[in-house]
Amino acid sequence: AQSVAQPEDQVNVAEGNPLTVKCTYSVSGNPYLFWYVQYPNRGLQFLLKYITGDNLVKGSYGFEAEFNKSQTSFHLKKPSALVSDSALYFCAVRARSGGSQGNLIFGKGTKLSVKP
Amino acid sequence: EAQVTQNPRYLITVTGKKLTVTCSQNMNHEYMSWYRQDPGLGLRQIYYSMNVEVTDKGDVPEGYKVSRKEKRNFPLILESPSPNQTSLYFCASSPRGSATEAFFGQGTRLTVV
Repeated sequence: AQSVAQPEDQVNVAEGNPLTVKCTYSVSGNPYLFWYVQYPNRGLQFLLKYITGDNLVKGSYGFEAEFNKSQTSFHLKKPSALVSDSALYFCAVRARSGGSQGNLIFGKGTKLSVKP
Repeated sequence: EAQVTQNPRYLITVTGKKLTVTCSQNMNHEYMSWYRQDPGLGLRQIYYSMNVEVTDKGDVPEGYKVSRKEKRNFPLILESPSPNQTSLYFCASSPRGSATEAFFGQGTRLTVV
């Protein structure tokens, strides 16, 4: 079965420090990979995606993610965290082809808390 | 402004009283879907639609219905809501193609008492 794992329910970081939010996936083939962020009382907002090419993908608000095919991981990173980055982060994958093309599979989410 | 609009944002209802949550997108997207978000479970797909008059079940379709009569609208129908359908619901749309990101509505918080 296809699945996405975010092993940490919560990540705590001090402002100014680097942050990493982990994501691993179990999907056949070479899926497309996405990160979304959800602020309180808001819908999900797209951050970045990996389609092909360079394993380091840059996205919105200074976030980047590193794709590692051998480890089937797509960890979200930021060199210097801001208090305003505190939110719920979701990793998602989508198969490149097949009957359920378009079906996004989400991880359970990781709550990022950045303290001043 | 490109957006996905859900209504209502908040709804409290009683068990068994039929309700509809509307979803509309103005981006001419082919693909639309509904998710429910529950603590510790992330987002789970309820139903999706790949185009007008084409709908299919997601991971948790029981107790829900959908329709896609027009490209822009994808309402979620609860014929007889039950308390276990208390949740936060999101509608999403995306263009054709697996590489495209999805656009999400603001969410509908439903409470069934």
